[in-house]
Amino acid sequence: DADVTQTPRNRITKTGKRIMLECSQTKGHDRMYWYRQDPGLGLRLIYYSFDVKDINKGEISDGYSVSRQAQAKFSLSLESAIPNQTALYFCATSDYKGNEQYFGPGTRLTVT
Amino acid sequence: GEDVEQSLFLSVREGDSSVINCTYTDSSSTYLYWYKQEPGAGLQLLTYIFSNMDMKQDQRLTVLLNKKDKHLSLRIADTQTGDSAIYFCAETDNYGQNFVFGPGTRLSVLP
Repeated sequence: DADVTQTPRNRITKTGKRIMLECSQTKGHDRMYWYRQDPGLGLRLIYYSFDVKDINKGEISDGYSVSRQAQAKFSLSLESAIPNQTALYFCATSDYKGNEQYFGPGTRLTVT
Repeated sequence: GEDVEQSLFLSVREGDSSVINCTYTDSSSTYLYWYKQEPGAGLQLLTYIFSNMDMKQDQRLTVLLNKKDKHLSLRIADTQTGDSAIYFCAETDNYGQNFVFGPGTRLSVLP
C-alpha cells in the first residue's frame, strides 16, 4: 500500500463550489505539506503543518484553508473554487528533521 | 525570495549521458534535492546532497554541487527510456521549513 494517499485523484468542479482534498499517510511523520503544481512553475507551497496543533501558510495560501485532523490526516479546502485554481495538487510528508519529503500521487483538480 | 531555475526541456539519445542543471539563489540552502516525476505520478526523491559536499554518486546518478556559483547538476549515465520524466531541483534550509522547487526539466530519451 502507498505510504501517502490522496483522494480524490481527479475532480471537476464548478466555479463557486466548495471542495475538499484529503491526504492520509502511514509513515508516522509529523510534518505534512500541500503543494500545487502548474506547468512551467514547479511546485509552490500552499500550507504546511509540523504537528497536529501547528498550521502555517506557505507561498500561495490565499483562497485555500487546511485542517490537520490527526497526525496522519491533512486536508485542503477551497471554500469557493475559481478557474485559476485548476492545477495538480500534491500532499507530502516528512519526519521531524524535514530533510526528505515523500509525495502522494496527486489530485488533478479542474474548475470550470 | 528564494528562486530555483532550471531549463525546461532536454533531449538525449538512449545510452548517452544526460546532464540536468539547476541554479539557486539562497545562500543559506543546506540541502539540495533531485526529484523525478513520471507521468501521472507524484514526485519521487532520487537523491540529495548536503551543502558541505561537492559530489555524490549513487549508481548511475552523479550530483555535483558548486556552492560558490550556486549551481547543482544531475548526471544520469547510460540514459534509458525509463528515465524519461520531469526532474525537479529543490532546496531547503537546515530546518526543512521551506522547500523551494524549480520549474522542472522534462527529459526525453530518444531511441
